[in-house]
Amino acid sequence: GDSVTQMEGPVTLSEEAFLTINCTYTATGYPSLFWYVQYPGEGLQLLLKATKADDKGSNKGFEATYRKETTSFHLEKGSVQVSDSAVYFCALSTLRQFYFGTGTSLTVIP
Amino acid sequence: DSGVTQTPKHLITATGQRVTLRCSPRSGDLSVYWYQQSLDQGLQFLIQYYNGEERAKGNILERFSAQQFPDLHSELNLSSLELGDSALYFCASSATGQGYTDTQYFGPGTRLTVL
Repeated sequence: GDSVTQMEGPVTLSEEAFLTINCTYTATGYPSLFWYVQYPGEGLQLLLKATKADDKGSNKGFEATYRKETTSFHLEKGSVQVSDSAVYFCALSTLRQFYFGTGTSLTVIP
Repeated sequence: DSGVTQTPKHLITATGQRVTLRCSPRSGDLSVYWYQQSLDQGLQFLIQYYNGEERAKGNILERFSAQQFPDLHSELNLSSLELGDSALYFCASSATGQGYTDTQYFGPGTRLTVL
């Protein structure tokens, strides 16, 4: 069945370091892919999305490219800040189902 | 603030009991989604409603049911509660029923503790 697998955490980085969080998916058909972020005590909020192959989603310095050939949607940011500390979820949606990865906790230290 | 409201924020109850969680979507959104977030299962999709009708179903137990009312708010009913039902329950809403491209806006969640 359809699924999302994302990099296990937790991840700890120093401020201004480069971030990559890996996400791969299994799906039949043509799903949409999302990254959501969850700050402590809050609900999830959309970070970026891509709805077809080769699309690049970007927001707040974060980027991810929908790669059909490698079934991946890795999240990257060139220079993380303390305020980026949160849990990041990769997600896949089809017409009738929605799947989330297990979440990757990121802590950025000054 | 996503514009999605959920009540109550916290709920503590006993095994065997029944509870109702309530969700109000963002103004203008027609779809409501329910999710369960637990430490061992992660974030699991339960069910989606679009304009009052069930549209998609995920890993929702038979003890759980939901509905969406004419004013578009939704309720998730959990009955015969077990310890394993303790979790954070999120509601999300989106503009249309086209969930596969829609952005979902999440509420702050209801934390359910079953003792």
